[in-house]
Amino acid sequence: GAVVSQHPSRVICKSGTSVKIECRSLDFQATTMFWYRQFPKQSLMLMATSNEGSKATYEQGVEKDKFLINHASLTLSTLTVTSAHPEDSSFYICSARDSGSISYGYTFGSGTRLTVV
Amino acid sequence: GQNIDQPTEMTATEGAIVQINCTYQTSGFNGLFWYQQHAGEAPTFLSYNVLDGLEEKGRFSSFLSRSKGYSYLLLKELQMKDSASYLCAVMDSNYQLIWGAGTKLIIKP
Repeated sequence: GAVVSQHPSRVICKSGTSVKIECRSLDFQATTMFWYRQFPKQSLMLMATSNEGSKATYEQGVEKDKFLINHASLTLSTLTVTSAHPEDSSFYICSARDSGSISYGYTFGSGTRLTVV
Repeated sequence: GQNIDQPTEMTATEGAIVQINCTYQTSGFNGLFWYQQHAGEAPTFLSYNVLDGLEEKGRFSSFLSRSKGYSYLLLKELQMKDSASYLCAVMDSNYQLIWGAGTKLIIKP
């Protein structure tokens, strides 16, 4: 089945630094990938939709200059949290859908637990 | 606006059956998904319904009524490992997923 690999699984960084999170579709091509953020005991919040070869589409309230998204190939999207602050600490999850199999649903990466100290 | 409603938390006993309901109001409909999410982990796909009726997959079944904007996830022969959050999500007319807040299911021995 469709597999999405996300790295790193955990990262601790200092305030003001930047962190890059990678999301790869391993056995299918994903023209679109999705980046979510999830705070404790809350549901998934869509941050942005990453489109291969074009600019990402950000949800209302998400700062595009702070959360840089690059989708340079059909199998790789990256999210860079720039100038991280403690309030950016969260669980970040990417997902992609194998467009050849709608019934399979969206496949999620394993998530990245970001802690900003 | 678009809205997905599901109970915040449910408790059930090991070996029993539990039904988690989901109601939705969305701009268009291209299917409804159920996902399971254990604490600290990413969601995993459970089921997809696009036509009315019941889809059975082992101990888990999912039902959809498009006219009522209603779905449920039925879990049979509950096991302790089924303790998790269950997320209902609807794909709207733009093929975007609209997520419910999730139902935390607590299984007691």
